[in-house]
Amino acid sequence: DAKTTQPNSMESNEEEPVHLPCNHSTISGTDYIHWYRQLPSQGPEYVIHGLTSNVNNRMASLAIAEDRKSSTLILHRATLRDAAVYYCILSDDYKLSFGAGTTVTVRA
Amino acid sequence: GAGVSQSPSNKVTEKGKDVELRCDPISGHTALYWYRQRLGQGLEFLIYFQGNSAPDKSGLPSDRFSAERTGESVSTLTIQRTQQEDSAVYLCASSLVAKYEQYFGPGTRLTVT
Repeated sequence: DAKTTQPNSMESNEEEPVHLPCNHSTISGTDYIHWYRQLPSQGPEYVIHGLTSNVNNRMASLAIAEDRKSSTLILHRATLRDAAVYYCILSDDYKLSFGAGTTVTVRA
Repeated sequence: GAGVSQSPSNKVTEKGKDVELRCDPISGHTALYWYRQRLGQGLEFLIYFQGNSAPDKSGLPSDRFSAERTGESVSTLTIQRTQQEDSAVYLCASSLVAKYEQYFGPGTRLTVT
């Protein structure tokens, strides 16, 4: 499986945007980029996914570099509920392999 | 609507005993997955069911692990002769279509003493 690299942690202030980077230089043409998050003591929660084009949904936006070797998850206005571990995952099938992710802390 | 549910939420068992973990997927979801999350680590894929197709068991760590699913409903993950290294949170997920959004349950925390 192609690997992803994410920062260990990021801090943000409430109501400010959060940009979470993910590097995936060995991505293959059929790999989708998935983002999940996991709040403390809960199961992971789907955030967004994309293949080549930028994607938006009610939770976040996903910006994918033109060469697809990196992507950025954008939370437009962080709330305290957004404090979680965010996972960037590459997959071309149904198997999701979660790494260490980025721990996001939101300051009130 | 109702999400994925799992039972029990916590299970403490003695080494060598068998355990059964249950997952109720979202109604209508044909795909069902089991994952394991050891303390402080990411998720490991265990097994995948899609409708009546043969399950993908490629992630099961040993033959002590098995899982069944009845049609497109409940699934049971069984661990025989539990070992201390089996201690983890076992997560179940379901999806309408494989490859895309997976909806996770709250998990079962298994502790083997």
